[in-house]
Amino acid sequence: AQKITQTQPGMFVQEKEAVTLDCTYDTSDPSYGLFWYKQPSSGEMIFLIYQGSYDQQNATEGRYSLNFQKARKSANLVISASQLGDSAMYFCAMREENTGNQFYFGTGTSLTVIP
Amino acid sequence: GAVVSQHPSRVICKSGTSVKIECRSLDFQATTMFWYRQFPKQSLMLMATSNEGSKATYEQGVEKDKFLINHASLTLSTLTVTSAHPEDSSFYICSARGPLVSTGELFFGEGSRLTVL
Repeated sequence: AQKITQTQPGMFVQEKEAVTLDCTYDTSDPSYGLFWYKQPSSGEMIFLIYQGSYDQQNATEGRYSLNFQKARKSANLVISASQLGDSAMYFCAMREENTGNQFYFGTGTSLTVIP
Repeated sequence: GAVVSQHPSRVICKSGTSVKIECRSLDFQATTMFWYRQFPKQSLMLMATSNEGSKATYEQGVEKDKFLINHASLTLSTLTVTSAHPEDSSFYICSARGPLVSTGELFFGEGSRLTVL
């Protein structure tokens, strides 16, 4: 079974609008971390936001927020007030803390911000 | 955040030659670094885990003799693609777990695009 599932290969959003990128995960480890990374066309991976499995509140970092629904095993990324520079690939990832701390990446979502 | 630097960013080589890619943690010590390979429009595929002072741990299906990994210091890991062939052309990216233990996010190098002619 896939550890991380991103069902949206491509998304479009109008500039200044908000967009939600979906991510669901599968784990039996009670202790895990969820991450979102942005990969522009230049290739580097940029860390955006982190949510721990025991965190009670949804993580927020500037225009990024993580909609963490533990029972549904989803960790959607919300980008508010989209900017042209947000156009990139976005990867959801998970780290299971009790099984070697390996990172699992989703297949990514390509976001295009339309002016 | 923590900085990981990777060099070279682009390399073109002839078939049969070897290419070395360096990954450095600039402002923290990384006992463990990870090497990924990424094909166009696909996700990252973990190749190996590089451990300082010991042998790397390779993922299933990754040839140890083809992709040599050396982690000689706490700030440097190298990936050498030996006897490169056109099918080895890809984007290689390294990462290291940041110094913040509580979150443990990965910080990535800039990536290296290898083209084998």
